[in-house]
Amino acid sequence: QVALRESGPALVKPTQTLTLTCTVSGFSLTASGMCVSWIRQSPGKALEWLARIDWEDEKYYSTSLKTRLTISRDTPKNQVVLTMTDMDPVDTATYHCARSQGIFSPFDVWGQGTMAVVSS
Amino acid sequence: DIRMTQSPSTLSASVGDRVAITCRASQDIRNWLAWYQQKPGEAPKLLISLASNLQSGVPSRFSGSGSGTEFSLIINSLQPDDFATYYCQYYNSYLPEKTFGQGTKLEIK
Repeated sequence: QVALRESGPALVKPTQTLTLTCTVSGFSLTASGMCVSWIRQSPGKALEWLARIDWEDEKYYSTSLKTRLTISRDTPKNQVVLTMTDMDPVDTATYHCARSQGIFSPFDVWGQGTMAVVSS
Repeated sequence: DIRMTQSPSTLSASVGDRVAITCRASQDIRNWLAWYQQKPGEAPKLLISLASNLQSGVPSRFSGSGSGTEFSLIINSLQPDDFATYYCQYYNSYLPEKTFGQGTKLEIK
């Protein structure tokens, strides 16, 4: 059964770096077509795509946030990691990871999300 | 950039009702549209892809239609489990950063 599970700190101080981990099961990160994206959901706002890593380890970033984001993977651990630097209270959100089976494909399986609050 | 606009933002309905949610794209997206359902505290669930293709396991009371710039999600005979928030998304984008609609919350009347 395909599943994704996010983990990370619940509270981050302004200017700090947020590190989130997505642990996947039921599929291989290196299987042809497999992509894992990070998507966030701020209270009262639309879902916002942040970054993607594909089966060939190619990385893609939101143009508005790319200077702050780094996505990477640890294939033996079946994990995808997102770091976001210089956190601000406006970055308070639930962060989801989600799988798509291709770059131009919908997100067919999502994790439940991990809430990160940015506050001093 | 292609922008997606959903309406209404909130919809009140009763069990057994038929409801429709609309999603409009700022330009022609052919049929590259997905619909997701999200319940509080849960992961979004993919319901429909390619505007009208129901995902495996999704009840047949859900249907999607449209192409180009106007799309609809129809739910026939609402069930208690259907009260949730629904999102549309244009997904045929290299960088899908602003491709979700703002969501429609379906509430019990």
